[in-house]
Amino acid sequence: SAVISQKPSRDICQRGTSLTIQCQVDSQVTMMFWYRQQPGQSLTLIATANQGSEATYESGFVIDKFPISRPNLTFSTLTVSNMSPEDSSIYLCSVGGAPGLAGGHEQYFGPGTRLTVT
Amino acid sequence: GQQLNQSPQSMFIQEGEDVSMNCTSSSIFNTWLWYKQDPGEGPVLLIALYKAGELTSNGRLTAQFGITRKDSFLNISASIPSDVGIYFCAVPKDKFYFGSGTKLNVKP
Repeated sequence: SAVISQKPSRDICQRGTSLTIQCQVDSQVTMMFWYRQQPGQSLTLIATANQGSEATYESGFVIDKFPISRPNLTFSTLTVSNMSPEDSSIYLCSVGGAPGLAGGHEQYFGPGTRLTVT
Repeated sequence: GQQLNQSPQSMFIQEGEDVSMNCTSSSIFNTWLWYKQDPGEGPVLLIALYKAGELTSNGRLTAQFGITRKDSFLNISASIPSDVGIYFCAVPKDKFYFGSGTKLNVKP
C-alpha cells in the first residue's frame, strides 16, 4: 500500500481565514481524493483531484470554497477558504484505484488534518 | 447515492469477548471493504472482499461477503484493548461509499 503523509496534522484557525492542506504520496498514483469527516461522523467525499485538470467536486462542495491543486502524480493540496466554525472537521486525503495498488478497488488514507475554526 | 446501513452504532464489550458488526444495502456490490480508524488517525484497510460468499481472515478478524452481494459482516474474536476504534464498511461504485461506522469500546 502507498505511504501517505499530510501537513499540517492539526491547526486552529480564525474564522474568515484560509488553510491549505498538503498531501504527499510515496509513489505515483492516478486517483487522489479529499474527504471531510465531521466529529463523530463518517467520511464524506469532497472531490477527486485530477492531475492536469480541474478537480471534480461532489454535490454540496464548490471550488471557490475548497480549491484543489494536483500538480503531479504524488502531490495534492486542498484549501479551506473563508473558514467558519462549521468547517471544523478532519480532512483526509486518499489514493486508490490505481494499477499496482492491491486490488485496484481499494482506497488508502493519509493520517488526516484536524482543523478547528474559532 | 448509495446508502450503507451499518450496525451496531456502538459497542461496549469486555476484553476477550467476540464482536460482530455488519453492513447492509439495497444495492448489489462487487467489492466490500472494512476499515478501522484509530483516534486521531486516518482509516486503515483491514480486509477486502471481492467475491460473493467469500470469507477472509486477517488475524483475529474475519469478514464475509454476503451471498446476495448486498451485505457484509466483520467479526473480531477474543477482543483486546487495542481493538478500540471506529470500524467502517465501504464499497466502491462510481465513488467510494462508507457506512456510518461502529464505535468499539473494549474494557480491560
